[in-house]
Amino acid sequence: GAVVSQHPSWVICKSGTSVKIECRSLDFQATTMFWYRQFPKQSLMLMATSNEGSKATYEQGVEKDKFLINHASLTLSTLTVTSAHPEDSSFYICSVPELWRIPYEQYFGPGTRLTVT
Amino acid sequence: QKEVEQNSGPLSVPEGAIASLNCTYSDRGSQSFFWYRQYSGKSPELIMSIYSNGDKEDGRFTAQLNKASQYVSLLIRDSQPSDSATYLCAVKGSNRGSTLGRLYFGRGTQLTVWP
Repeated sequence: GAVVSQHPSWVICKSGTSVKIECRSLDFQATTMFWYRQFPKQSLMLMATSNEGSKATYEQGVEKDKFLINHASLTLSTLTVTSAHPEDSSFYICSVPELWRIPYEQYFGPGTRLTVT
Repeated sequence: QKEVEQNSGPLSVPEGAIASLNCTYSDRGSQSFFWYRQYSGKSPELIMSIYSNGDKEDGRFTAQLNKASQYVSLLIRDSQPSDSATYLCAVKGSNRGSTLGRLYFGRGTQLTVWP
């Protein structure tokens, strides 16, 4: 299946600063990537769909101005958490669907753990 | 609203036993179903996918799908302590009203296999 990397694997930042998380598809070109957030003991919550060459699609309740997504190339999507606050501390995970393959499968990156102090 | 429900757990079984995980879904048009395993502090790992009614076996894992009942399950035979994790059921939404490729996840069932 798809090989997906994320960077950094963990980050600690101060309240009010911005943090950028990278998601890379290492072995094929991904026109679509998904960004999830997961709080402790809770399930995955889809935040947004990242589309190469166009604007991201955000889920209801997710602030697009706070969580900036840029899918500038077919192998890289970035999520920037702007003006981070302690409540943004969470596990952020991207995934890449193999849309070219029928039936398709979806693979996750290793995740980025964000702690805002 | 496309919902995916899992038995809440936690589920605890002895080593060597069969662990049974269940999942129901609301979108009758769904065609693709997945089981992910998530260890504590890690991201989900795809362990099984199933698309046709019936059983699909892969080693100690068997996925079962019944589209008429909108039900999918995962059986783990000869459970090992290393199987202790949270198991997430995921359903690919039918194309109507869904982002292409989007998965809908259940809340997960935590499995503990004790020696």
